[in-house]
Amino acid sequence: DGGITQSPKYLFRKEGQNVTLSCEQNLNHDAMYWYRQDPGQGLRLIYYSQIVNDFQKGDIAEGYSVSREKKESFPLTVTSAQKNPTAFYLCASGKDRGFYGYTFGSGTRLTVV
Amino acid sequence: GESVGLHLPTLSVQEGDNSIINCAYSNSASDYFIWYKQESGKGPQFIIDIRSNMDKRQGQRVTVLLNKTVKHLSLQIAATQPGDSAVYFCAESGAQGAQKLVFGQGTRLTINP
Repeated sequence: DGGITQSPKYLFRKEGQNVTLSCEQNLNHDAMYWYRQDPGQGLRLIYYSQIVNDFQKGDIAEGYSVSREKKESFPLTVTSAQKNPTAFYLCASGKDRGFYGYTFGSGTRLTVV
Repeated sequence: GESVGLHLPTLSVQEGDNSIINCAYSNSASDYFIWYKQESGKGPQFIIDIRSNMDKRQGQRVTVLLNKTVKHLSLQIAATQPGDSAVYFCAESGAQGAQKLVFGQGTRLTINP
């Protein structure tokens, strides 16, 4: 079955560490997206990519980095520059540049310890 | 409109009653609209969509209404069940050529027994 997989489901980070969240899709979607969700709040766009080897900043890109070396994969690195990284991170993918909606992964909950 | 990190509005209904969740969208050129359901700790899931050339579309127990004159979208859920408790997000495509969906703030729906 096609889908989008995020791993790990839970991730703990020590202050000052970089961590990488994985997102893989086998839907043959061109577009991929990363969102951050804080408790009781909506979705905020971090980065997105419409094509391999190209990506754009979203609304809250500071402290994050991404790569898009393969169509199937769009990993997100939360760097030590992100001062408040504890949140729920959602990856999504979409065909036709995402115009007709996204398929979301099940999320990664990142906690700073 | 854009999700800007505000706390979610809430709606409480009695089990068996009908629910109506409202959403104001921002771009009069948006061509496509989607409703997502997000259960606690999970990624958003597609519920129903509608194109701008329609004003109503029905699914199983759900109906989406689109009023382009006032840029308003609503989701009606018939005979709500405990499993309908979730956060509901609307999303708009933006104009043709837009690279990402614009998500609404989200509404938390609670079903009372």
